[in-house]
Amino acid sequence: DTAVSQTPKYLVTQMGNDKSIKCEQNLGHDTMYWYKQDSKKFLKIMFSYNNKELIINETVPNRFSPKSPDKAHLNLHINSLELGDSAVYFCASSPPSSNTGELFFGEGSRLTVL
Amino acid sequence: SQKIEQNSEALNIQEGKTATLTCNYTNYSPAYLQWYRQDPGRGPVFLLLIRENEKEKRKERLKVTFDTTLKQSLFHITASQPADSATYLCASTKSGGSNYKLTFGKGTLLTVNP
Repeated sequence: DTAVSQTPKYLVTQMGNDKSIKCEQNLGHDTMYWYKQDSKKFLKIMFSYNNKELIINETVPNRFSPKSPDKAHLNLHINSLELGDSAVYFCASSPPSSNTGELFFGEGSRLTVL
Repeated sequence: SQKIEQNSEALNIQEGKTATLTCNYTNYSPAYLQWYRQDPGRGPVFLLLIRENEKEKRKERLKVTFDTTLKQSLFHITASQPADSATYLCASTKSGGSNYKLTFGKGTLLTVNP
């Protein structure tokens, strides 16, 4: 009955590879996000989708491509991985009735690029 | 530039005391501020939201204040317990920005010693 679930929880891969992280929410929210938390614990927004439409794209390299097949899912695909992509990636969602955007986060996916 | 900052990286207090964490913002006036708790290896969890026209908000042992003159929000945990040990993050949207784009402070790691 997890509200926001993302897989995998851990991902270790070589530079240059392509990888995906999947996210699903069962809260009935319309808006979903990807955030990146770096080694200094700084949490920064990457993308946001509202009803499958991209509404925020924060100067993220185009090696990162989000995809929202429906409003309950938001996946993140990363091409040509670089060392600097190592971080924890958090998926989140927010309720449609909220105009203040409280976020419900998943548990994170720790990506390590070797 | 607009900034949201938590100047204390870490705070250590004794069990039973009140913990006070600070969040400052510069060069903008947020309509609201949010506070989250993050445990190691977990995603942030929403705790409280306070709007600019509210001076204070309470939830059980938690209290948040919003001082638009000092451009500051204080987050208090009364009768602190070791289980309150975690990183606490404040967040807001920027002026003129999307309600979907939360910017987070770097967080304050609170340790409550038994």
